Amino acid sequence: TQLLEQSPQFLSIQEGENLTVYCNSSSVFSSLQWYRQEPGEGPVLLVTVVTGGEVKKLKRLTFQFGDARKDSSLHITAAQPGDTGLYLCAGALWETGNQFYFGTGTSLTVIP
Amino acid sequence: NAGVTQTPKFRILKIGQSMTLQCTQDMNHNYMYWYRQDPGMGLKLIYYSVGAGITDKGEVPNGYNVSRSTTEDFPLRLELAAPSQTSVYFCASSPPGQFGNQPQHFGDGTRLSIL
Repeated sequence: TQLLEQSPQFLSIQEGENLTVYCNSSSVFSSLQWYRQEPGEGPVLLVTVVTGGEVKKLKRLTFQFGDARKDSSLHITAAQPGDTGLYLCAGALWETGNQFYFGTGTSLTVIP
Repeated sequence: NAGVTQTPKFRILKIGQSMTLQCTQDMNHNYMYWYRQDPGMGLKLIYYSVGAGITDKGEVPNGYNVSRSTTEDFPLRLELAAPSQTSVYFCASSPPGQFGNQPQHFGDGTRLSIL
């Protein structure tokens, strides 16, 4: 069973379009992280959210942690080809501290 | 800055062989992790360590062993390799932090095929 479910699994859009990726669970997380992974490389951290309802912005990327700490979303405005990659969410549970559970991933392709 | 270094980058094993995947970090991080990533999937935690001499099982530990004799090194041992262990293996490290809010730094992975 997968603790964190991401949707959509695959996304192919034109440059300039907006998109949202969702990360959902029935569990409550102490924190949630978003990573981007490019082919042949390890994931690279984009953001960490730790407070329910928190919104963080990173240039054209907006991250939100759900009020109940069970879900998160990543919104990209005016997508660019450089945004192409695999987006992964990862959550830490209160009872297991620094043990992270990763989502299934969203593979994004931005077409020039 | 080297960060997290994994060796080898690629390896092909025959069923029943054993091998050790090496991981070393130069950031003096207490926490280290081993994950596996199967095609089109997220990462699954195999083992983790919160400091030298301390290791614990993750979600998918069967068929693997680890040790942590130093802060820098966290090798992953495969005994009796099986086709189901064909995967990309990632090592990561992070400083300790309250409730998992510290970033994980990943190596570039070891691509392992069991034939």
